[in-house]
Amino acid sequence: EAGVTQFPSHSVIEKGQTVTLRCDPISGHDNLYWYRRVMGKEIKFLLHFVKESKQDESGMPNNRFLAERTGGTYSTLKVQPAELEDSGVYFCASSQPDWSSYNEQFFGPGTRLTVL
Amino acid sequence: GQNIDQPTEMTATEGAIVQINCTYQTSGFNGLFWYQQHAGEAPTFLSYNVLDGLEEKGRFSSFLSRSKGYSYLLLKELQMKDSASYLCAVRDGGKGGGNKLTFGTGTQLKVEL
Repeated sequence: EAGVTQFPSHSVIEKGQTVTLRCDPISGHDNLYWYRRVMGKEIKFLLHFVKESKQDESGMPNNRFLAERTGGTYSTLKVQPAELEDSGVYFCASSQPDWSSYNEQFFGPGTRLTVL
Repeated sequence: GQNIDQPTEMTATEGAIVQINCTYQTSGFNGLFWYQQHAGEAPTFLSYNVLDGLEEKGRFSSFLSRSKGYSYLLLKELQMKDSASYLCAVRDGGKGGGNKLTFGTGTQLKVEL
């Protein structure tokens, strides 16, 4: 079974540009999460999709960030325009529907974003 | 607010036992997870506790005391490949955010010969 995949693995952009990150969850996982780790800090929650609906977007830092999950499969996270403080590693995770056991989240390898 | 504390670094010897502690103060609680993360890779699930007590899984065990807001991860028969960052994470039990994880900063474990 394929794990969570993310694209690209690395992205280097200039301040003011736009970047779109993609996450493909494990097939059949209704829950999809975005997290971010800024250098030296802990991994922080950004938002949570259940299928195509945003369940919780309390962690989104501001309106420069837009997440979508059309069709309830893969998700994209767009940063527009990017600022220096957006640099970090963006992780995507997915988990089975809530009725399953302890519902562990499976993480992707992350996208390392550098804003210059 | 959410606060999770764990040591920043630990060093142990191959073949030994190491215990990584985690204390938490969170507004909601619906389980505590331990993840292992090697540099540049995805965090991978190690263990889950939602009730008090010890959960054993091969060389790894995890303990939880909800009344004390405390957990530990115990690694036995350490191997060099166990050198990694160990992340403690609490799952929120609150309304509207029932599944999000709040992470500690991670404990970087170095296993030496």
